[in-house]
Amino acid sequence: DGGITQSPKYLFRKEGQNVTLSCEQNLNHDAMYWYRQDPGQGLRLIYYSQIVNDFQKGDIAEGYSVSREKKESFPLTVTSAQKNPTAFYLCASSLGIVSDTQYFGPGTRLTVL
Amino acid sequence: GENVEQHPSTLSVQEGDSAVIKCTYSDSASNYFPWYKQELGKRPQLIIDIRSNVGEKKDQRIAVTLNKTAKHFSLHITETQPEDSAVYFCAASARGSTLGRLYFGRGTQLTVWP
Repeated sequence: DGGITQSPKYLFRKEGQNVTLSCEQNLNHDAMYWYRQDPGQGLRLIYYSQIVNDFQKGDIAEGYSVSREKKESFPLTVTSAQKNPTAFYLCASSLGIVSDTQYFGPGTRLTVL
Repeated sequence: GENVEQHPSTLSVQEGDSAVIKCTYSDSASNYFPWYKQELGKRPQLIIDIRSNVGEKKDQRIAVTLNKTAKHFSLHITETQPEDSAVYFCAASARGSTLGRLYFGRGTQLTVWP
């Protein structure tokens, strides 16, 4: 999991602003994922991508957008349409269909002021 | 889609005792079941996983059992230590499926008292 990085570690944003969270991996993994974590709610899947230039909505995609232009990068944009964006955001990656074992990045804590 | 239920949501044990966390799943096509440990403010880390062609797997003080017929799997921690205190998540997936995603339980907060 040391090969997955997220930045920044802490992020503050004003209401009405879009913000982009970075996720990079050097593990040569095909698949990448974004999760949102709220206290007592476990891990909820926002978006995932199995290959470059392709991604699918997860369970709570509304108010979020992603891109997958490079294999090693999967940025997440939290838009102003997301009503309650304050949360801990985790990125993960896996080899893909051949192996579902996911490895997580250190996370970004987003706070909306 | 798959539905994973995890119990209990909180668990307190005395140091040296055993701890057991149980999960059930709904999709009979699921064949991969990992367990993650997450310490406060840190990333989830894989501690053990099991695939559907085996019924039990052990790694030192940690073991996982799988009952495919009943669609449930459990994490067993023996000789617990204070550093075992964390949130534990179970998950399930249908490995090789076109969806390629994990479905997580809601987590169990384990506290080990010295």
